[in-house]
Amino acid sequence: DSGVTQTPKHLITATGQRVTLRCSPRSGDLSVYWYQQSLDQGLQFLIQYYNGEERAKGNILERFSAQQFPDLHSELNLSSLELGDSALYFCASKRGAPNTGELFFGEGSRLTVL
Amino acid sequence: QKEVEQDPGPLSVPEGAIVSLNCTYSNSAFQYFMWYRQYSRKGPELLMYTYSSGNKEDGRFTAQVDKSSKYISLFIRDSQPSDSATYLCAMITTDSWGKFQFGAGTQVVVTP
Repeated sequence: DSGVTQTPKHLITATGQRVTLRCSPRSGDLSVYWYQQSLDQGLQFLIQYYNGEERAKGNILERFSAQQFPDLHSELNLSSLELGDSALYFCASKRGAPNTGELFFGEGSRLTVL
Repeated sequence: QKEVEQDPGPLSVPEGAIVSLNCTYSNSAFQYFMWYRQYSRKGPELLMYTYSSGNKEDGRFTAQVDKSSKYISLFIRDSQPSDSATYLCAMITTDSWGKFQFGAGTQVVVTP
């Protein structure tokens, strides 16, 4: 158990819908990262937060947004869902300065868009 | 050219053999290096974390870093069928906000 908690574990929804994925980082971790992993694909970096502020963006679609709250949990919002958005979405957290330290992953939220 | 290159495999080895995995990278700003194990459709699990060039050992796992060659390796001794998974290398720069970069992952199959 990495200490990073993601909910829901599984989600099935229809095209055009909107979903919210939630992440609770490890206790004391200030940095939260979101990654997308499609079937048999590598990890695609979406976005990074540090202590509530957005710090880096990857190839995140405009239909997707995220935020980190004062209690450090984070949410990833996916809207106008398309079939191609079906994937595993991982949250990861890290302690200490943004440019050091190990990244710990949650078990992921599996999104299926029908 | 990708910043981090990793052979996707699959790499098939008999039980008890040594598994040898590696990644090459092009960005000399990468200073911290990690290896993750990912079972199918599960979250990546951190195996090794290293900073300097040289070797680091943890049980059956040995990580090697050669910054001069921009080359990192992971060795798994006495491999077991439970080691069958995808192994990802990862590295982070030491600029202000630390850019993480992952390899594509190597699929390893350990056959009994």
